[in-house]
Amino acid sequence: QKEVEQNSGPLSVPEGAIASLNCTYSDRGSQSFFWYRQYSGKSPELIMFIYSNGDKEDGRFTAQLNKASQYVSLLIRDSQPSDSATYLCAVSMDSNYQLIWGAGTKLIIKP
Amino acid sequence: EADIYQTPRYLVIGTGKKITLECSQTMGHDKMYWYQQDPGMELHLIHYSYGVNSTEKGDLSSESTVSRIRTEHFPLTLESARPSHTSQYLCASSDSATGEKLFFGSGTQLSVL
Repeated sequence: QKEVEQNSGPLSVPEGAIASLNCTYSDRGSQSFFWYRQYSGKSPELIMFIYSNGDKEDGRFTAQLNKASQYVSLLIRDSQPSDSATYLCAVSMDSNYQLIWGAGTKLIIKP
Repeated sequence: EADIYQTPRYLVIGTGKKITLECSQTMGHDKMYWYQQDPGMELHLIHYSYGVNSTEKGDLSSESTVSRIRTEHFPLTLESARPSHTSQYLCASSDSATGEKLFFGSGTQLSVL
């Protein structure tokens, strides 16, 4: 069964530090990788996506993909209290397949 | 402004009632989805559609049905609501030309008494 695993947390990080969120997946054929942010009581919002091995940076966010080790990470630099949310990892083989979702990691940024 | 809308935002209803959760998007996306999510839990896909007159069941067994008569509209219907249906229902859409980047509506919190 295809799986996406995340540490449920909560992960507590001081304001201004780097938050590191990890996700592992079981299907070696996976091609597309997504990070969604979900605030409490709200809907998920796409914040990063990555398709190739290596790093992808967007502002304070960096997604890291290692297909050989089957993990994808999200780094948040200069963490802010507004980054406190649950971060969901989602993986897909390609556009003809549905996303496989992790259960999410709850991140708490302490002022 | 292009967006995805769900109504109602909250619904409290008695057992046995028929309900329809509405979802509409103005982004011209061909793909639409219904997910169910309980607090602190992962998303479960219950239905999806790749275009007009195309509907499929997802991984989570569901007693609900969907229809896709128009590109922008993807309603979900429960013929007879039960307390076990109490959950948050999230509608999403995506454009197959840009991959599986999903845009979500605000959700419907359903409580069946």
